[in-house]
Amino acid sequence: AQTVTQSQPEMSVQEAETVTLSCTYDTSESDYYLFWYKQPPSRQMILVIRQEAYKQQNATENRFSVNFQKAAKSFSLKISDSQLGDAAMYFCVLTFYNQGGKLIFGQGTELSVKP
Amino acid sequence: GAVVSQHPSWVICKSGTSVKIECRSLDFQATTMFWYRQFPKQSLMLMATSNEGSKATYEQGVEKDKFLINHASLTLSTLTVTSAHPEDSSFYICSAGIFSRQETQYFGPGTRLLVL
Repeated sequence: AQTVTQSQPEMSVQEAETVTLSCTYDTSESDYYLFWYKQPPSRQMILVIRQEAYKQQNATENRFSVNFQKAAKSFSLKISDSQLGDAAMYFCVLTFYNQGGKLIFGQGTELSVKP
Repeated sequence: GAVVSQHPSWVICKSGTSVKIECRSLDFQATTMFWYRQFPKQSLMLMATSNEGSKATYEQGVEKDKFLINHASLTLSTLTVTSAHPEDSSFYICSAGIFSRQETQYFGPGTRLLVL
């Protein structure tokens, strides 16, 4: 079975500090992609970062970076210098090269940012 | 680029009526679109895969006669909730991907449906 697990339903971080959201996944496929999507209170889904499984280098997008551990099937998201606008639900997502865009979602982690 | 729109953004209807939700890819063509349902504080639940020019593929447990999907063109998919009941009240989201890079999905802003 192909699954994505986010074990932290809620997280909290102080503004300007760093927070790490955890994600583990399970698949027997070798070609896949991992994403973090953000859903703010507006409920618009926003792509935060993507990682191709064949790439060993961890993806980085400004203040957002991932720690991709393929053998451990772990894909955590680090948010540095947290801002109030980072408050949102974050979803870890798995998909595959030949699945036409069909996504497998984690349960989500609700991040609050304290001023 | 890669913008997906949904219309309406929210709708209130009476029990027993049908409601149509549109999902459009504004600046790209999408042979496949996806429809999701989301309850408050929960993850997205895939309802169906909408295929241009062919029948939709429904996930297990989703009533195809209640949730009619039509993908009539490369930029438009519609979801019709037929004979809506209060339990159909939810947030509905669509997504689409650019043909050559469908692994990256772009999401519509969602439609909030309230059935009275």
